[in-house]
Amino acid sequence: SAVISQKPSRDICQRGTSLTIQCQVDSQVTMMFWYRQQPGQSLTLIATANQGSEATYESGFVIDKFPISRPNLTFSTLTVSNMSPEDSSIYLCSVEGGWGWGYTFGSGTRLTVV
Amino acid sequence: DAKTTQPPSMDCAEGRAANLPCNHSTISGNEYVYWYRQIHSQGPQYIIHGLKNNETNEMASLIITEDRKSSTLILPHATLRDTAVYYCIVRGFTNAGKSTFGDGTTLTVKP
Repeated sequence: SAVISQKPSRDICQRGTSLTIQCQVDSQVTMMFWYRQQPGQSLTLIATANQGSEATYESGFVIDKFPISRPNLTFSTLTVSNMSPEDSSIYLCSVEGGWGWGYTFGSGTRLTVV
Repeated sequence: DAKTTQPPSMDCAEGRAANLPCNHSTISGNEYVYWYRQIHSQGPQYIIHGLKNNETNEMASLIITEDRKSSTLILPHATLRDTAVYYCIVRGFTNAGKSTFGDGTTLTVKP
């Protein structure tokens, strides 16, 4: 299955600033997924990122707040813009490990906004 | 994707089998059942998946009822390191790959 490197692993940010999270995969993948996990909650899908096209956002998430780049088949970034304390969460990227392997997840970025 | 229902928490004695149930009564014919687990502060880890036959791998067994409306994940000899949140997900082959995570079951393995 794919191996994902996600960084930063954690950060503490001031409100009103932005943070860009990077996700690097060791193999080419068509779709990459970004999830948010709020404290004590399950995972919520933010968007699906395909190379060469605009990301597809889930209900409740907008491009202005969570812009995503997907410049090639092994890399993606998620930016959390104009942060507020409510954005404090773990953000995870994920790729499909190939049919039969399920999804592979990065180790996550633990974001705290103060 | 079909919705899944899991008990919020379960306990299991170390060395005993842990049986985690999942209801997915609205599952459709082309949807698979996937199980993941998330150990504290880590990303979710894939465990196993199946369509209608029972499946077994080095981590666990998956038992799917004949009507496919429910399934059970079995960890045959639970260890303290199996303490985690376990998620049951139903996912179709053609839904653009995305999955919806429910609340999961927090399994606590006790010595």
